[in-house]
Amino acid sequence: AQKITQTQPGMFVQEKEAVTLDCTYDTSDPSYGLFWYKQPSSGKMIFLIYQGSYDQQNATEGRYSLNFQKARKSANLVISASQLGDSAMYFCAMRENMNSGYSTLTFGKGTMLLVSP
Amino acid sequence: EPEVTQTPSHQVTQMGQEVILRCVPISNHLYFYWYRQILGQKVEFLVSFYNNEISEKSEIFDDQFSVERPDGSNFTLKIRSTKLEDSAMYFCASSEDSLTYEQYFGPGTRLTVT
Repeated sequence: AQKITQTQPGMFVQEKEAVTLDCTYDTSDPSYGLFWYKQPSSGKMIFLIYQGSYDQQNATEGRYSLNFQKARKSANLVISASQLGDSAMYFCAMRENMNSGYSTLTFGKGTMLLVSP
Repeated sequence: EPEVTQTPSHQVTQMGQEVILRCVPISNHLYFYWYRQILGQKVEFLVSFYNNEISEKSEIFDDQFSVERPDGSNFTLKIRSTKLEDSAMYFCASSEDSLTYEQYFGPGTRLTVT
């Protein structure tokens, strides 16, 4: 079974609108972390936001917020007020065993976001 | 802001040749990682390294792969005998410790095996 599922291969949004990128995950570990990375055309992986499984509140970082629904095992990324520079591939990732020395990130297949003027 | 750097940005090699991909992690970081991304596919974990030894590795990381920290700054990934299917983008990442959640990625090395 896929540990991270991103069902949207591509998304389109107009500049200044908000967009939600979906991510569901599968783990039986009670201690895990969820991450979103942005990969623009340059190829570099840029960390955006993190949500810990025990965090009570949804994570926010500027225009990025993470809609964490633990019971549904979903961790959707919300980008408010989209900008042209947001056009990129977005990857959801998970790390299990957060309290141990294991640190492997497992990535989803990604969602390509295109922002139009 | 400190960054992870990788060299070369693009490496072309013939099948069967050995390649070494180089990374300079952020200086105070203790954990180092290699990931790969085959074109159009997801990023896959290869190996993590701490205290001069491998701490985790994936099924992809077979005997053809090895990692080394030859000095205080470089972290290398060696592929002994490259295959066509090794063509991918290889990312190095580092983190302060195993519990820090953020891994900082380098810009990647595009490996093309012909």
